[in-house]
Formats: sequence, C-alpha cells, structure tokens
Amino acid sequence: KAGVTQTPRYLIKTRGQQVTLSCSPISGHRSVSWYQQTPGQGLQFLFEYFSETQRNKGNFPGRFSGRQFSNSRSEMNVSTLELGDSALYLCASHRGPGDNYGYTFGSGTRLTVV
Amino acid sequence: GENVEQHPSTLSVQEGDSAVIKCTYSDSASNYFPWYKQELGKGPQLIIDIRSNVGEKKDQRIAVTLNKTAKHFSLHITETQPEDSAVYFCAANPKYSGAGSYQLTFGKGTKLSVIP
Repeated sequence: KAGVTQTPRYLIKTRGQQVTLSCSPISGHRSVSWYQQTPGQGLQFLFEYFSETQRNKGNFPGRFSGRQFSNSRSEMNVSTLELGDSALYLCASHRGPGDNYGYTFGSGTRLTVV
Repeated sequence: GENVEQHPSTLSVQEGDSAVIKCTYSDSASNYFPWYKQELGKGPQLIIDIRSNVGEKKDQRIAVTLNKTAKHFSLHITETQPEDSAVYFCAANPKYSGAGSYQLTFGKGTKLSVIP
C-alpha cells in the first residue's frame, strides 16, 4: 500500500514569505502529526490532527498552523518565514485513538529560508 | 512533560560487531517505546518497538530491552552490516489515551557508522 506522501520534497523561500506543505496519510489512517527536524533540536512535535480537529499542539509560535481535510489529508502553513524555520518538516500518519502503534513517517519536505 | 535522553550521539563499530544505543525517559506514565532508523534523505522508519508490560523484544538482528524501574531502554544490533549505518532515534509515548491525542517524544538521535 502507498506510504505517507509529502509534497513538495524541497522548497526555497525568502524571509517574510509564507509556505504551505501537504501530507497525504496512509489509506485508512485518520490521524496526522507534524514534526520539525533540525540538527540542533532533533524532532520536535508541531501538532496533531484527527477527524479534521487539532488534538494537540507543540510549543511553536502562532505562525505555524495546520488543518486537516475530510479525506484525512493535511496541510501545514508557516507565515512570515524566518531563517530559523529552515528545517525538514515531517508528517506522520497514524490510525488514531485506540491504535497504540508507532507512526509511519513520510520522507519530509526540506524547507530552506534565505 | 516527558524528556528522553539518548546516548551516545555518535557510534562507530566494525562490521560484524554489536552496537548498543541507550535511552532514558522521565515520565513514569510512558508505556510505549519505539525505535526509528533514518537514512539520508528519508523519513524515520519504525524498526522495533516495546510496550511497558514486556522486558525484551527481538526481531532477527535487533533487540530492545526495557527497564521500567530505572526508566531506561536500549537498542541492540548484532552482526552489524554497512547498511545499518544511519541515524537511530528512540522515543517514548507519555500522552496516549483512548480518547486523547497521540504524541511521541524523541531522543536527539545516534549516528551509527558501520565500518567495512
């Protein structure tokens, strides 16, 4: 079966711009979580969506937002980009409450802010 | 909140030797401990996991042990091969509930290099 699909794979943006990243979870998975990965901070939790509702949010500024659609696909948006937002953004798919198994990650979107 | 410490940050072993990576966690409520392998240019891939009611789990050349009393768990890779070279992450799940959210707290990663 198809894995978690993230688009685009690479993105270069200028400071002050905004960006939207997309994630399609594994078929049947209704929960999508987003993580930011940087060399210094490792994997940091951004937010989790289930049934189009944000269930949990990490410690990131309000410039980071997301949403989930009825087909479970999710997008995350970063507004007013800063140099420090350069990172690998990973989407993780999960069946949802009641399923205590690990995530399946996508390959990520590499965002570079210049 | 949960805090996961992972050691070492880098590890080099000769092909055929064993590799051990250790993690400690802080939240005694954590009950699920997965390990992920991340190769260059790819997302993390789940390689093995263990639940709090089990002390050890094996899958071919990899094994994980859990000591709930001491709040630490370890990944063991035997007969290492060059393709085992990657970054390995441990994680703990302190926030799962039947109706609540699901979140993993990750260690900072261990870069394993297997020297042929």
